[in-house]
Amino acid sequence: GDSVTQMEGPVTLSEEAFLTINCTYTATGYPSLFWYVQYPGEGLQLLLKATKADDKGSNKGFEATYRKETTSFHLEKGSVQVSDSAVYFCALSHQTGANNLFFGTGTRLTVIP
Amino acid sequence: EAQVTQNPRYLITVTGKKLTVTCSQNMNHEYMSWYRQDPGLGLRQIYYSMNVEVTDKGDVPEGYKVSRKEKRNFPLILESPSPNQTSLYFCAIADRATDTQYFGPGTRLTVL
Repeated sequence: GDSVTQMEGPVTLSEEAFLTINCTYTATGYPSLFWYVQYPGEGLQLLLKATKADDKGSNKGFEATYRKETTSFHLEKGSVQVSDSAVYFCALSHQTGANNLFFGTGTRLTVIP
Repeated sequence: EAQVTQNPRYLITVTGKKLTVTCSQNMNHEYMSWYRQDPGLGLRQIYYSMNVEVTDKGDVPEGYKVSRKEKRNFPLILESPSPNQTSLYFCAIADRATDTQYFGPGTRLTVL
């Protein structure tokens, strides 16, 4: 069945450091891939997405590239800020409209000044 | 933008006392779903609904019920809550036009 594996956290970085959160997936066919972010005390927000191989999703300085050959969708940011402290979830979906999302376990990021 | 409202945001109850968590949307999206979030497990889908009067089980439906009598609302019902249902619950809608799910703010449930 479909599954998503994320690097375990927590991850602690200093402000302006480079961030990578690894995500790999197992799925048949060509799923859509997503990164969601959960700030403290809030629900999940879509951060970025990619719907086909080699697509790059980007938002708020974050990027992730859909790599079919390595079944990966790693999240990167060149210079993190304290305000990026949150839990990040990688997810996949097979259906149009992202109807059935399979989530990774989440990675907690803490950025210290 | 699509908005999802959940109530209550926090709830402490006792084993066996029936409860309902409400979910409503401000748009007219057909697809709605419920997830629970547990440490180390991420989010897991409980139930989903493709439209009014159309519901189906997700990955962890045991101990839960849902109803979809109108498009805007999708309540989650726990007929006889147990401590293993202590969790953080999220309602979500799917916007087909943008291929995106929008999540509510969450309901933190504690069953004693």
